[in-house]
Amino acid sequence: GAVVSQHPSWVICKSGTSVKIECRSLDFQATTMFWYRQFPKQSLMLMATSNEGSKATYEQGVEKDKFLINHASLTLSTLTVTSAHPEDSSFYICSAPPDEYSGANVLTFGAGSRLTVL
Amino acid sequence: GESVGLHLPTLSVQEGDNSIINCAYSNSASDYFIWYKQESGKGPQFIIDIRSNMDKRQGQRVTVLLNKTVKHLSLQIAATQPGDSAVYFCAENDHPGANNLFFGTGTRLTVIP
Repeated sequence: GAVVSQHPSWVICKSGTSVKIECRSLDFQATTMFWYRQFPKQSLMLMATSNEGSKATYEQGVEKDKFLINHASLTLSTLTVTSAHPEDSSFYICSAPPDEYSGANVLTFGAGSRLTVL
Repeated sequence: GESVGLHLPTLSVQEGDNSIINCAYSNSASDYFIWYKQESGKGPQFIIDIRSNMDKRQGQRVTVLLNKTVKHLSLQIAATQPGDSAVYFCAENDHPGANNLFFGTGTRLTVIP
């Protein structure tokens, strides 16, 4: 089945630094990927839609200059948290449609990346 | 629209009993609904989905019921097992044909051996 891989699975960084999280579709191509954020004991919140070859679409209230998204290829999307602060500490999860041309609408999620900002 | 979880409801059931997890959604334009299971520290795992032209769909030990009139979705797990302990989320798409999903609050299911 479709597999989405995230790296790193966890990262600790100092306040003010930037952190990059990678999301890869391992056995399929994804022109679209979605980035979610999940705080402890809360639900997943859609942050943005990553589009291969074009700008990402951000949800209301998500700062595009703080959460930089790059979808450089059909199998890789990256999320960079710039100038991270402790309040950015969260679980970041990406997902991708396995085959957007087949009509299949089941998203496959990565295992998530836990960011802790000291 | 987007649902944000602020408080996580909990459900405790005895092993072997049936579990029913409920979800209310708000977007009448949604035409696709999914239930996900999330174990601690992991990404969501697909359980079962249903389209708005159906009111019931069955999988292995799971059944999803959709009531569009009252915008209610439920997940029934038969013969609940300890491995079913997790947080369960319902999710809906933003509009017909959309791939992006918005998640409900989630329910923590604890199975008591």
